Amino acid sequence: GENVEQHPSTLSVQEGDSAVIKCTYSDSASNYFPWYKQELGKGPQLIIDIRSNVGEKKDQRIAVTLNKTAKHFSLHITETQPEDSAVYFCAAKYPSRDKFYFGSGTKLNVKP
Amino acid sequence: GAGVSQTPSNKVTEKGKYVELRCDPISGHTALYWYRQSLGQGPEFLIYFQGTGAADDSGLPNDRFFAVRPEGSVSTLKIQRTERGDSAVYLCASSLRTGGLETQYFGPGTRLLVL
Repeated sequence: GENVEQHPSTLSVQEGDSAVIKCTYSDSASNYFPWYKQELGKGPQLIIDIRSNVGEKKDQRIAVTLNKTAKHFSLHITETQPEDSAVYFCAAKYPSRDKFYFGSGTKLNVKP
Repeated sequence: GAGVSQTPSNKVTEKGKYVELRCDPISGHTALYWYRQSLGQGPEFLIYFQGTGAADDSGLPNDRFFAVRPEGSVSTLKIQRTERGDSAVYLCASSLRTGGLETQYFGPGTRLLVL
C-alpha cells in the first residue's frame, strides 16, 4: 500500500516568516494530495489540495507544490501568523482505492 | 447541518464494555469514512462506506470493531469488549464524489478513553 512520510515533526517560526512542510509518497499512481490543519480538540480541516495533473496551486498565503518524478509534495505558508499554529497533515490517495493515507503530522508553532 | 457531526464528543468506558460512536455526515454526501487517530499520529483508515455498503473495511483492526450505515446517511462505529489500546480519537469524514474528484470533510471526532 501507499506510505506517506512527513517532515519535520515540529516546526517553530517567527511571525511573518515562511514555513515549509514536506511529504513523500511511495506509490507513483497516487493522484490526489490534500493538506489538513488540525487545531487542538478539533477534526482535521482541509486547507488546500492538489491533483497530479498540476504542479503548483496557491490560495492566498498558502501554496502546495507537487513533484511527481520525485514523489514529493510540499506545503508553503508565507507571512505566518500566530493563528497558523496547529498540526498539519498531508495525505495521498490512490485513484482506484478509497483510502486516504496520512502523514504523521507537523506541529507548527508561530511565535509572535 | 453545515458540517459532519459526531456524538458523543467524549466517551469514557471500562475495559470490556461495549461502545457505539455515531457520525452524521454532510447531507447528500454518499461516501463516509471512519478513522482512528492516536496521540501524535495522523488519522489511520478504518472503514469506508459508499452508500449503505461497506466498500472497504480492511482497516478495522479486528473483529471487535464493526460499523454500519443502514440508510446511507448516519453511521455507527461499534466496538465490543473494549481494550485500553482502543483509546484514541475516532474521526468520521464524508465526501461527495463529482466527476471522479473527491474532497473529504472531517467531523470533530469522538475521544474514547478505555480505563
